Amino acid sequence: AQSVSQHNHHVILSEAASLELGCNYSYGGTVNLFWYVQYPGQHLQLLLKYFSGDPLVKGIKGFEAEFIKSKFSFNLRKPSVQWSDTAEYFCAVNRGGGADGLTFGKGTHLIIQP
Amino acid sequence: DSGVTQTPKHLITATGQRVTLRCSPRSGDLSVYWYQQSLDQGLQFLIQYYNGEERAKGNILERFSAQQFPDLHSELNLSSLELGDSALYFCASSPSGRLGYEQYFGPGTRLTVT
Repeated sequence: AQSVSQHNHHVILSEAASLELGCNYSYGGTVNLFWYVQYPGQHLQLLLKYFSGDPLVKGIKGFEAEFIKSKFSFNLRKPSVQWSDTAEYFCAVNRGGGADGLTFGKGTHLIIQP
Repeated sequence: DSGVTQTPKHLITATGQRVTLRCSPRSGDLSVYWYQQSLDQGLQFLIQYYNGEERAKGNILERFSAQQFPDLHSELNLSSLELGDSALYFCASSPSGRLGYEQYFGPGTRLTVT
């Protein structure tokens, strides 16, 4: 079974700082990778996804992520964060071509200080 | 708004009781997933239905069951409830049950077992 590890459980940054949230997964086969965001009191929203092709994927709100197969990683980045980025961020994976549900990491609680 | 609706938003019940959570997927989506989010276990995949048939099972307890009806809405039944079942229950839908299509999440039902 696959698993997902998010290294930073709580991150506090100032506005305009750069962001990188780590995500590693364990599964030897083809995977689909996702980052979801959960703003306070709201449902999970998809930030970006990787199925195949260019390992650098761009998502909404200026976020991007890079899939590094050799490192089993899919780190989320944003060059300059805003106060409105305060939220919980979840990395998720499922098997490529499969019908599995998503396996989520424990999440990273990001707080942006004005 | 993802287009996925869940009712009720909040549910408070006693141990040993049975409850039913309801989910309506986005228009046209055939696949419905159920997830449980708790502080200690994080977000866990429970079960998936595709066009009325069970497609995949995750960490779903035997006390829990689900079904998807001909109009594609789904219900998650939780019985013999225990304190540890208190959690947020999310439903997600996607156009297909294959190939790891992105999943759109509903607002969740918060279950409190007292």
